Amino acid sequence: GEEVAQTPKHLVRGEGQKAKLYCAPIKGHSYVFWYQQVLKNEFKFLISFQNENVFDETGMPKERFSAKCLPNSPCSLEIQATKLEDSAVYFCASSRWTGPDTQYFGPGTRLTVL
Amino acid sequence: AQSVTQLDSQVPVFEEAPVELRCNYSSSVSVYLFWYVQYPNQGLQLLLKYLSGSTLVKGINGFEAEFNKSQTSFHLRKPSVHISDTAEYFCAVSDFNKFYFGSGTKLNVKP
Repeated sequence: GEEVAQTPKHLVRGEGQKAKLYCAPIKGHSYVFWYQQVLKNEFKFLISFQNENVFDETGMPKERFSAKCLPNSPCSLEIQATKLEDSAVYFCASSRWTGPDTQYFGPGTRLTVL
Repeated sequence: AQSVTQLDSQVPVFEEAPVELRCNYSSSVSVYLFWYVQYPNQGLQLLLKYLSGSTLVKGINGFEAEFNKSQTSFHLRKPSVHISDTAEYFCAVSDFNKFYFGSGTKLNVKP
């Protein structure tokens, strides 16, 4: 598609529950990025993929967060045992290549942990 | 390491007035700079980008930005704003792996 698609739009979880977010990048884009936007509007980089391979995972809280990009499937970001501080908007972005290429952002998934 | 500072968290301005949104960066590598706009409950939309060449970059919706290497700045400008420009604006610097975003500036255009 011509736009990055993210589902669901909103997700509500009780503390300790699992949350799974999905992202379909623009067709032909090889790189996928996940960012977390918290209440103060700061964007935190989480992880990036080159096709199905992890490219950079320096931002991932590895204890509870995991992500995958499998062939012919949407990419996913999973949070095991959610905590209150995981409440944020999670954005997915894609680009044709890395480096200074424009990243195209999806509309985001708002995760609320109660 | 790369970082971006947007000193103004909010900028109120009247319709048809000019506006400048400030962005300063620090980078230890080659500099690639971007401005994105975020409308309420939406994702980020690219306004413009500087990769190389002319330091004055023109973008969509009448916005432009000037790359100033000596002042490590990439300020965004528009000569005459509209109500529809009300949104949050994010400056970002790219290394070869990811973007680093500023904390955003809320532009509030008043009639």
